[in-house]
Amino acid sequence: ETGVTQTPRHLVMGMTNKKSLKCEQHLGHNAMYWYKQSAKKPLELMFVYSLEERVENNSVPSRFSPECPNSSHLFLHLHTLQPEDSALYLCASSQDVVGGLPYGYTFGSGTRLTVV
Amino acid sequence: GQNIDQPTEMTATEGAIVQINCTYQTSGFNGLFWYQQHAGEAPTFLSYNVLDGLEEKGRFSSFLSRSKGYSYLLLKELQMKDSASYLCAVRGTGFQKLVFGTGTRLLVSP
Repeated sequence: ETGVTQTPRHLVMGMTNKKSLKCEQHLGHNAMYWYKQSAKKPLELMFVYSLEERVENNSVPSRFSPECPNSSHLFLHLHTLQPEDSALYLCASSQDVVGGLPYGYTFGSGTRLTVV
Repeated sequence: GQNIDQPTEMTATEGAIVQINCTYQTSGFNGLFWYQQHAGEAPTFLSYNVLDGLEEKGRFSSFLSRSKGYSYLLLKELQMKDSASYLCAVRGTGFQKLVFGTGTRLLVSP
């Protein structure tokens, strides 16, 4: 399997639930990202991991907790979410080569999250 | 601050040409990307510009003017399958961070 795979594709959860989103990349990339995509808003960067170390947080609420056990896997743990957290959550990966080839991101298909 | 502007929605007819504009103001510039995103799917890479000028790739072309903070994506011989959102994204300085615009939803009609 190639590319970036996200599971589940759809998730409905209550505000008191705990769930996790999973992302897996088979591209040999060394950086992974979580983005939030809400209607009529730009993609919002939530977390960046490079070589398994978190390098940027962007003031995301603590009810979102990322985990990157290795360079191929990325999780987003969710707890006590709010209805406004309903959105499409996209995972992406890239090869971190500053000044090198013009690599963009490879995105997964996303998890459509609905908080009820 | 960082700001990327693109029209919210555009319409065009099959076989026509459409130009989607993007203006940006970012702290540092290290390239501009265009992505295509069909509803419910992942964004997919279309083009990349880091130097001024036009990059052509089949039916799609992308132009960049760094002095004006401006880019456009040109789509020729439009097909129904080109109906999608088109995202403009700028890579600033520092670690591979892409800042995205809100996207332009293109509707192609017969």
